[in-house]
Amino acid sequence: AQSVAQPEDQVNVAEGNPLTVKCTYSVSGNPYLFWYVQYPNRGLQFLLKYITGDNLVKGSYGFEAEFNKSQTSFHLKKPSALVSDSALYFCAVRGLNNDYKLSFGAGTTVTVRA
Amino acid sequence: NAGVTQTPKFQVLKTGQSMTLQCAQDMNHNSMYWYRQDPGMGLRLIYYSASEGTTDKGEVPNGYNVSRLNKREFSLRLESAAPSQTSVYFCASTGGGGTGMGNQPQHFGDGTRLSIL
Repeated sequence: AQSVAQPEDQVNVAEGNPLTVKCTYSVSGNPYLFWYVQYPNRGLQFLLKYITGDNLVKGSYGFEAEFNKSQTSFHLKKPSALVSDSALYFCAVRGLNNDYKLSFGAGTTVTVRA
Repeated sequence: NAGVTQTPKFQVLKTGQSMTLQCAQDMNHNSMYWYRQDPGMGLRLIYYSASEGTTDKGEVPNGYNVSRLNKREFSLRLESAAPSQTSVYFCASTGGGGTGMGNQPQHFGDGTRLSIL
């Protein structure tokens, strides 16, 4: 079985400070990892993915994520947060032997204060 | 560029009523999915359709049925709604073909907010 844990329900940061949203995963074999963002009353929007290769993945809106196989983690980061980054963030994993199903974490609410 | 379109956006039902949630995508994607989103639980997969003509159960299929009408459309039906089915329902689709779609992101609609009294 595959699963994702997002250990923090909420993350609060000041605008201009670094932002980190944590994610750990469990899957058989090598994973496909994704980050999505959800704004109020909207669907999820894709931010970035890790498939293979460089452990540091760059995505939309200045976000990046670092894949760490030994720690089974895929933390989302942004060097300088904006108020407009305030949203709900989801980490998701798919195992290579499970092409069709994506497992999501419970989500982390990010609040960036001005 | 519509992407994934869900109808209706909001609905209130009484216990025992039936309803079909509609989803259509215009990206020529093979795979489509239905999720429910509940506070603190992330998204849980209800049913999915890997390709036109096939459907399979996800994590929480009880109380639901689906129909993959054609490549574009994938509907979710509640035959006898229960208060526990109050949720936000999302449809998603993803591209690629056969078993090679694992690295493709899913594209989501804006959801149907369903309340069952």
